[in-house]
Amino acid sequence: DTAVSQTPKYLVTQMGNDKSIKCEQNLGHDTMYWYKQDSKKFLKIMFSYNNKELIINETVPNRFSPKSPDKAHLNLHINSLELGDSAVYFCASSQVPKVGTQYFGPGTRLTVL
Amino acid sequence: SQQGEEDPQALSIQEGENATMNCSYKTSINNLQWYRQNSGRGLVHLILIRSNEREKHSGRLRVTLDTSKKSSSLLITASRAADTASYFCATAPITQGGSEKLVFGKGTKLTVNP
Repeated sequence: DTAVSQTPKYLVTQMGNDKSIKCEQNLGHDTMYWYKQDSKKFLKIMFSYNNKELIINETVPNRFSPKSPDKAHLNLHINSLELGDSAVYFCASSQVPKVGTQYFGPGTRLTVL
Repeated sequence: SQQGEEDPQALSIQEGENATMNCSYKTSINNLQWYRQNSGRGLVHLILIRSNEREKHSGRLRVTLDTSKKSSSLLITASRAADTASYFCATAPITQGGSEKLVFGKGTKLTVNP
């Protein structure tokens, strides 16, 4: 039973394209997150949703738009992809919005050519 | 700005030895957490220590927290080849609305040689 799942695992695309990454958690958690991990392994939060409501929006270009259709799903749509968007994107969830343990998905490796 | 800084950046030891990784941070925190990331995988939570705790154990892991020095250490005893991974500390800074996000360091890459 996968707790936090992401699709796709790999995504290779051309500059200027629009792509989406999907995330689902079956842990019953109220809070979900998107993180970006760069080539130097630095992990930075992008967005956080609590019960479908956006609660954290870090300084992320507005080409990135998260969408939470229900509290078990948090998708990430990226418009007009740029070379610098190449990274591994992780979804995570937690039960406690005030920062408890987070459970991470396996990651989506995005390569923009 | 980055909150946690792990030290060393890389550590190579023999199986059976102990591994110690350190983390320093800059602001007051609600809690500090350690995560492990195997190559090509997601992060796995290891241990959470609250700001009013000084030491915590979980199996072969021992975490200490010194809030006066704004530092934490992770000790893995009797290391195994399977412990080879990157280890990240993550802090939950106290903000006006209460802690809302984790801030990760760059990690320590641990290699345990058989």
